[in-house]
Amino acid sequence: QSVLTQPPSASGTPGQRVTISCSGSTSNIGRNTVNWYQQFPGTAPKLLIYNNNQRPSGVPDRFSGSKSGTSASLAISGLQSEDEADYHCAAWDDSLNGPVFGGGTKLTVL
Amino acid sequence: QVQLQESGPGLVKPSETLSLTCTVSRGSISTFYWSWIRQPPGNGLEWIGYVFYTGYTMYNPSLQSRVTISVDTSNNQFSLKLTSVTAADTALYYCAREGREGYADSNFDSWGQGTLVTVSS
Repeated sequence: QSVLTQPPSASGTPGQRVTISCSGSTSNIGRNTVNWYQQFPGTAPKLLIYNNNQRPSGVPDRFSGSKSGTSASLAISGLQSEDEADYHCAAWDDSLNGPVFGGGTKLTVL
Repeated sequence: QVQLQESGPGLVKPSETLSLTCTVSRGSISTFYWSWIRQPPGNGLEWIGYVFYTGYTMYNPSLQSRVTISVDTSNNQFSLKLTSVTAADTALYYCAREGREGYADSNFDSWGQGTLVTVSS
């Protein structure tokens, strides 16, 4: 059971905007920044969003992140077939004194 | 761009010790936090622990009694030892680097490709 809660699946059609939620608590998302990772089958996770809403160099601006209270969201606009992947949220947890992750959301592009 | 590569046995017997090494290339192991993270097949990610280049460590409380992470700055490597393994420890094991020098905050900007470790007799 993961500390952060994500829906196990999400889907959308090409061109659509989809959002993936990540719910936590005051000890993690409520007090610390959220990071998002993209993972294709058989490959390592890749940092997609850091500090709630910052994109590393090379990440398209179709990807955006936001945080409010103890929840965060990843939004993908102009959905493309190549966006089909697993998406994981993460945040520092003050009670654990370490990072915690969500269970991951499998995004399907219909 | 820094590169990380895990190495170690892919099969470990129950009750024995899992040992993995992560070799860091195209960058120094100094000034960053380095981590081990695992992913059981079909499941989410689980943080195992951190090591700083000074040797300072932080562990997941759920694994702390069985985990040791160490660093070898002369060879630009850090290592994981997990004792008394069971089938529940079967997972893809990743090594990763925190993105900000001197900070640990779940911002992992570089990852190894991962290595599958199966616990079975």
